[in-house]
Amino acid sequence: DTAVSQTPKYLVTQMGNDKSIKCEQNLGHDTMYWYKQDSKKFLKIMFSYNNKELIINETVPNRFSPKSPDKAHLNLHINSLELGDSAVYFCASSQDGSNQPQHFGDGTRLSIL
Amino acid sequence: AQSVTQLDSQVPVFEEAPVELRCNYSSSVSVYLFWYVQYPNQGLQLLLKYLSGSTLVKGINGFEAEFNKSQTSFHLRKPSVHISDTAEYFCAVSDQVGTNDYKLSFGAGTTVTVRA
Repeated sequence: DTAVSQTPKYLVTQMGNDKSIKCEQNLGHDTMYWYKQDSKKFLKIMFSYNNKELIINETVPNRFSPKSPDKAHLNLHINSLELGDSAVYFCASSQDGSNQPQHFGDGTRLSIL
Repeated sequence: AQSVTQLDSQVPVFEEAPVELRCNYSSSVSVYLFWYVQYPNQGLQLLLKYLSGSTLVKGINGFEAEFNKSQTSFHLRKPSVHISDTAEYFCAVSDQVGTNDYKLSFGAGTTVTVRA
């Protein structure tokens, strides 16, 4: 049973397109996150949601919009994709927004042509 | 805001040799520290964490880390590595952003390559 699952695993698309990445966790956690890992493996938080409420919104372009239909899901929609959006995107969850460890999905590798 | 610095970007090591990965954090009244490991083409997995209490923290796969407040360090060690320990290792600090909300800030990572 995969605790945090992301789909798709790979996403190859052209500049200007709109795409979505889905994330689901079956751990019963209240808090979910999106991270971006660049080509140098630097990992930076983008968003976090606690029980469907936006908690953290880092300096991310408006083209990125997270959506949480329920606390087990946090999807990431990206409009007008740009070359610089190429990266690996990780979803994670934790029991709550405190210092509990985060559980990560396997990532979605987004490549913009 | 809290930050961490991983002092070594790459650490090559022979199988069965010891390894130490260095991590320094920015000083704060309260600090919560983590080490995560990322195997190739996978997500991050928690190795160990320091929230309070004993400064020597034991984690999974034989790893341990020591919290040193005076030196603002949280170095990761393993006495004898295996080929399977080849991975990227991230030190992270938890930063409070709200009453009960925290965010993780990661170091740049250390690539450990274990050779036979």
